[in-house]
Amino acid sequence: AQTVTQSQPEMSVQEAETVTLSCTYDTSENNYYLFWYKQPPSRQMILVIRQEAYKQQNATENRFSVNFQKAAKSFSLKISDSQLGDTAMYFCAFGQKGAQKLVFGQGTRLTINP
Amino acid sequence: AAGVIQSPRHLIKEKRETATLKCYPIPRHDTVYWYQQGPGQDPQFLISFYEKMQSDKGSIPDRFSAQQFSDYHSELNMSSLELGDSALYFCASSLTRGQVYNEQFFGPGTRLTVL
Repeated sequence: AQTVTQSQPEMSVQEAETVTLSCTYDTSENNYYLFWYKQPPSRQMILVIRQEAYKQQNATENRFSVNFQKAAKSFSLKISDSQLGDTAMYFCAFGQKGAQKLVFGQGTRLTINP
Repeated sequence: AAGVIQSPRHLIKEKRETATLKCYPIPRHDTVYWYQQGPGQDPQFLISFYEKMQSDKGSIPDRFSAQQFSDYHSELNMSSLELGDSALYFCASSLTRGQVYNEQFFGPGTRLTVL
């Protein structure tokens, strides 16, 4: 069974700073996908970024980028030029190709301070 | 763009009552997933349906059942409700057929409170 671990329950940074959220996972599969979801106070689950395991290039979406280390089974999220609207709970998630469920980490509560 | 619709958005029930949650996937999506998120917890996968057939099953109690109908909407039926069933229930949908991977789009969730 796959497991996802987020070791940082809470983080807090000043606006415009860069912050990195950590995620590690455990799997014996070779084909899978990794995701970061954002859950603001509205509780809506919003996909931030995804990474296909077969791609060596790290995914980037505007201010959001990942550092995917497949051998180390690590998948961190970097948020550059952080904004107040980035304040949310962030979940790392694992999806196995062919299977359909997502396995989530425990979440990291990120607060951006003005 | 159309999103996943869940109804009701909020539901209050007494212990031992029954609840039905509905999910309307994004048009042309063929797969529906249900997740349960308890207070301060991460979402836990319950069950999924592909083309109206159950495709995967997670930690869903026997008191819960679900199905996907011919119009692809899905319903999660919860009986003999317990206090611990109080949670946010997410439905997500994806297009699986012919896709390299199926991105799941989440609905706004149904907040169930059991008193």
